[in-house]
Amino acid sequence: GAGVSQTPSNKVTEKGKYVELRCDPISGHTALYWYRQSLGQGPEFLIYFQGTGAADDSGLPNDRFFAVRPEGSVSTLKIQRTERGDSAVYLCASSPRTSGRADTQYFGPGTRLTVL
Amino acid sequence: AQSVTQLGSHVSVSEGALVLLRCNYSSSVPPYLFWYVQYPNQGLQLLLKYTSAATLVKGINGFEAEFKKSETSFHLTKPSAHMSDAAEYFCAVSRGDYGNNRLAFGKGNQVVVIP
Repeated sequence: GAGVSQTPSNKVTEKGKYVELRCDPISGHTALYWYRQSLGQGPEFLIYFQGTGAADDSGLPNDRFFAVRPEGSVSTLKIQRTERGDSAVYLCASSPRTSGRADTQYFGPGTRLTVL
Repeated sequence: AQSVTQLGSHVSVSEGALVLLRCNYSSSVPPYLFWYVQYPNQGLQLLLKYTSAATLVKGINGFEAEFKKSETSFHLTKPSAHMSDAAEYFCAVSRGDYGNNRLAFGKGNQVVVIP
């Protein structure tokens, strides 16, 4: 079946602009995660959705970052007033949430964001 | 808070030789541990996971890892490297509460296979 998809695959923007990154999870997966991967680093957790609600947004770096999942499937990560330090690969993952901590997360290919 | 440490960002291994990637964890609760692989321009793919059942975990592509509580380790091994094993490998620990499996990743190991 189809895996997790993310669009766009690449996004180049100018400092101060607004961007939206989209994630389409695997159909039927109720849990959705966003991570950010900077060059030479492992992914860092940003936010977790269970259904439509953000159950854990403790990883969002500041209030310029926001994410939604209005119908419990597609999610959008929104970044306002982008800064050069926001340049990274943004990863989305989904899981069926059958047992919580042991659940496998299925990752999308990521969106590479470059802020000039 | 739960965390993992991976040492040595780049690992070179000869084709046919043992692959050994080290991961040490820190956790105040029984850990759930994962190894993921990332091929160029692809998403992370689960290799294997430890969820408190058998301490020796077998995964895909001939990889396995052994959970050693006394050493707080979860090292990844493969007896014989193939060229197709060239990729980046990440160890991760679950940091969430029940229902929330947010992962904390190590910095990763870039594996280069030498013919």
